[in-house]
Amino acid sequence: AQSVTQLDSHVSVSEGTPVLLRCNYSSSYSPSLFWYVQHPNKGLQLLLKYTSAATLVKGINGFEAEFKKSETSFHLTKPSAHMSDAAEYFCVVSDLTRGKLIFGQGTELSVKP
Amino acid sequence: DAEITQSPRHKITETGRQVTLACHQTWNHNNMFWYRQDLGHGLRLIHYSYGVQDTNKGEVSDGYSVSRSNTEDLPLTLESAASSQTSVYFCASSYTSSYNEQFFGPGTRLTVL
Repeated sequence: AQSVTQLDSHVSVSEGTPVLLRCNYSSSYSPSLFWYVQHPNKGLQLLLKYTSAATLVKGINGFEAEFKKSETSFHLTKPSAHMSDAAEYFCVVSDLTRGKLIFGQGTELSVKP
Repeated sequence: DAEITQSPRHKITETGRQVTLACHQTWNHNNMFWYRQDLGHGLRLIHYSYGVQDTNKGEVSDGYSVSRSNTEDLPLTLESAASSQTSVYFCASSYTSSYNEQFFGPGTRLTVL
């Protein structure tokens, strides 16, 4: 069965410094993996997705994630944090059964001026 | 532009009342999903549908029902609202396939008093 673990419930960075949000997954098959972002009182927006093509995936707003099969990881990074990046981030794995998603618990990103 | 909408955006009801939350998408997606989001639990799947007349239970389906009479709509009904069902509810849709991301609505905040 597929599962996903976000290793940090809260990450705090200063504006202009790098962001690293960690995610490990468990899957019996080659998974589809996603990162979603949720700003306060908003719905979820797709940041990026991995579907067995390039292992380094680029998303919106300067975010990217690298799929590492040997480490079963899919960490999200951004070189330089912006105040507008403050939000909750969800790592998600797709169940092979026709598109069901399995969500991590979320990582809240705070960005200090 | 295609979109997914939810109504109402906010609802306050009393214990024991029947409540229906609407979800409407214009993506022409086959798959539709209902989630609830609670602090400490991330997003949990309530019900989902892979097409007209198809409905399936998710991990937290007790006390909820759905019906799918057309492609665009998947209303969620709380048969007899309970305080434990106070939550934020998200509807999502996707194309068929485990590779496709889900598109989320803006959410409905439901309070059961």
